[in-house]
Amino acid sequence: DAGITQSPRYKITETGRQVTLMCHQTWSHSYMFWYRQDLGHGLRLIYYSAAADITDKGEVPDGYVVSRSKTENFPLTLESATRSQTSVYFCASRDHSSYEQYFGPGTRLTVT
Amino acid sequence: RKEVEQDPGPFNVPEGATVAFNCTYSNSASQSFFWYRQDCRKEPKLLMSVYSSGNEDGRFTAQLNRASQYISLLIRDSKLSDSATYLCVTNGGFQKLVFGTGTRLLVSP
Repeated sequence: DAGITQSPRYKITETGRQVTLMCHQTWSHSYMFWYRQDLGHGLRLIYYSAAADITDKGEVPDGYVVSRSKTENFPLTLESATRSQTSVYFCASRDHSSYEQYFGPGTRLTVT
Repeated sequence: RKEVEQDPGPFNVPEGATVAFNCTYSNSASQSFFWYRQDCRKEPKLLMSVYSSGNEDGRFTAQLNRASQYISLLIRDSKLSDSATYLCVTNGGFQKLVFGTGTRLLVSP
């Protein structure tokens, strides 16, 4: 049971490049989330999705785009990466009956 | 004011000690409460949910005080493997969770 996976695990990119972080879950959870984690800020919600084709902004959505064409996938795209987007990105999911979220292993992104 | 506030620590305790963390939350409408554990450079993992009547899971006890808007986590007989950051979490707005910045625990031999 793979649960929730993220790829790549590590990524270095240059300012201005587009980069996509992938998230895949095998639980058929309806809800999926993207967070970034930075020192001093804790986990901050970027975007979330309640179901396929339903997405909504979180606390820090600027500079990010998401899509959810299939229940199991929730990619996060940085359209034009900036140094301030250097962070650790976590994807999470949960089913509709509980607030408990389960996290993927994270992607460590560095923008140079 | 942050929605969830925690003492960042670190709390340095010897093996076998009992240690307690508190956190406060500002949203009186919050209904769900959790403690997550996060090891260095790893993903947060659910440690336990926190119920109104308090709940226990082995060496871990969680309490909720709605009147004062705080939750607590008590760890008894600390192990070296308990060293981690403990995140206090409540449900925020619609369908979302709000995370505290965490309390770091270091258990030494």
